[in-house]
Amino acid sequence: SQQGEEDPQALSIQEGENATMNCSYKTSINNLQWYRQNSGRGLVHLILIRSNEREKHSGRLRVTLDTSKKSSSLLITASRAADTASYFCATDVAQGAQKLVFGQGTRLTINP
Amino acid sequence: NAGVMQNPRHLVRRRGQEARLRCSPMKGHSHVYWYRQLPEEGLKFMVYLQKENIIDESGMPKERFSAEFPKEGPSILRIQQVVRGDSAAYFCASSPFRETEAFFGQGTRLTVV
Repeated sequence: SQQGEEDPQALSIQEGENATMNCSYKTSINNLQWYRQNSGRGLVHLILIRSNEREKHSGRLRVTLDTSKKSSSLLITASRAADTASYFCATDVAQGAQKLVFGQGTRLTINP
Repeated sequence: NAGVMQNPRHLVRRRGQEARLRCSPMKGHSHVYWYRQLPEEGLKFMVYLQKENIIDESGMPKERFSAEFPKEGPSILRIQQVVRGDSAAYFCASSPFRETEAFFGQGTRLTVV
C-alpha cells in the first residue's frame, strides 16, 4: 500500500449529513495536509496539521491526527452539494525539502 | 495577490515535440514545486526549486524532463521529445517558506497525440 492512502475511495451521502474520510501513512511526517479537487480543476488547500498537533478546525472542517497510528481523518459537517469533489491527504515527509506525498483520494458525492 | 498562475491551461503536442509549461508563483513565494497527476490518480512529486536552485528532483524522470526557476520570470517545466505517456495534468505549487502550506495552480493539461 502507498503512503497517504485514503479510505474510502468513494463516498456518497445526503446533503446535510456528515462526511468522514480517513488517511493512513507509513513514514514519519513533518505535517499532513488535506486538499480538495473539483473535477478537472486545481487543488484547493483545506487544512495543514503539524505532527505535534492532534486536532484542527476550520469552519465545517475538522481534522484529527494520530501519529501513533499514522492516520488522519477529515470530517465535513453539515455537507452541501458544493462539497462534492475529490479529497486528498498529503504528507510532508522530507527533511530539508517540502515533498508532499499524495494518496489516491476519496471521491465524495453529496446528493441533494 | 493573484494565486499561482500556470499557462497554458491546455497544451497539445505531437509525439517528439517539446512541451514548455510555465508557472508564476504567488507574490512573495520563493519555493516552487511541480507535480504530475495521471487520470484518476493522486499527484506525484516531481521537483522542488528555489530561485535559481533545484533543491530536490528525485521525482523527475532522468531523461527528457528538466525544470528551472530563474532569478527573473516564471518557473519552467520542459519536456523534450514528448511521448503519449507524458499526457497528464501538471500542477505547480508555491509556498513562502518550506514548512507552510503549498498553494496550487489550476494545472496544465498536456495531451500528446
